[in-house]
Amino acid sequence: AQKITQTQPGMFVQEKEAVTLDCTYDTSDQSYGLFWYKQPSSGEMIFLIYQGSYDEQNATEGRYSLNFQKARKSANLVISASQLGDSAMYFCAMRGAIQGAQKLVFGQGTRLTINP
Amino acid sequence: KAGVTQTPRYLIKTRGQQVTLSCSPISGHRSVSWYQQTPGQGLQFLFEYFSETQRNKGNFPGRFSGRQFSNSRSEMNVSTLELGDSALYLCASSPRLDYEQYFGPGTRLTVT
Repeated sequence: AQKITQTQPGMFVQEKEAVTLDCTYDTSDQSYGLFWYKQPSSGEMIFLIYQGSYDEQNATEGRYSLNFQKARKSANLVISASQLGDSAMYFCAMRGAIQGAQKLVFGQGTRLTINP
Repeated sequence: KAGVTQTPRYLIKTRGQQVTLSCSPISGHRSVSWYQQTPGQGLQFLFEYFSETQRNKGNFPGRFSGRQFSNSRSEMNVSTLELGDSALYLCASSPRLDYEQYFGPGTRLTVT
């Protein structure tokens, strides 16, 4: 079975600081994908970044980067130069190895608050 | 390109009733997945469809069902509603399998 653990229920960060959101995962699959989504208060899940288990480089998308440490089974999201609009819930998710399966397993989320 | 749309956005139903939620994927996307989000259980996978075929189903009772039409639009149905079915129901689409999913704004269902 796959499991995602996000140990930070809430985080408070000053605007313009960098922030790291923790995510650890558990799976017996050799091939898997890791995702981060942002959910503002409106409810929509916004895709941020993806890391494949065989990707050698850490994924980056603008101000978002994923610190992937395979041996430690961690996939932390790093947001550089945080902005007020980054305040939201953040979810780490995993997709397993079943070919073609779209099912995502989500963590419990971290509520990030950016203070001015 | 328009995003994933879900209708209705808000819904109030009474215990015992049934409800149908609709999801229109991004144009050209053939894969649609559904998730339930509650404060207690978090985000849980309901089912996924690709080219009108259900490919995977989550651990939900048979009261929860879905289907996908030839134009990739999808519906999910919940029969005999219970209070615990109150949740945000999210639909996600993807252009192909093994690709990232793009979510809609969700339908917030309240069962009284």
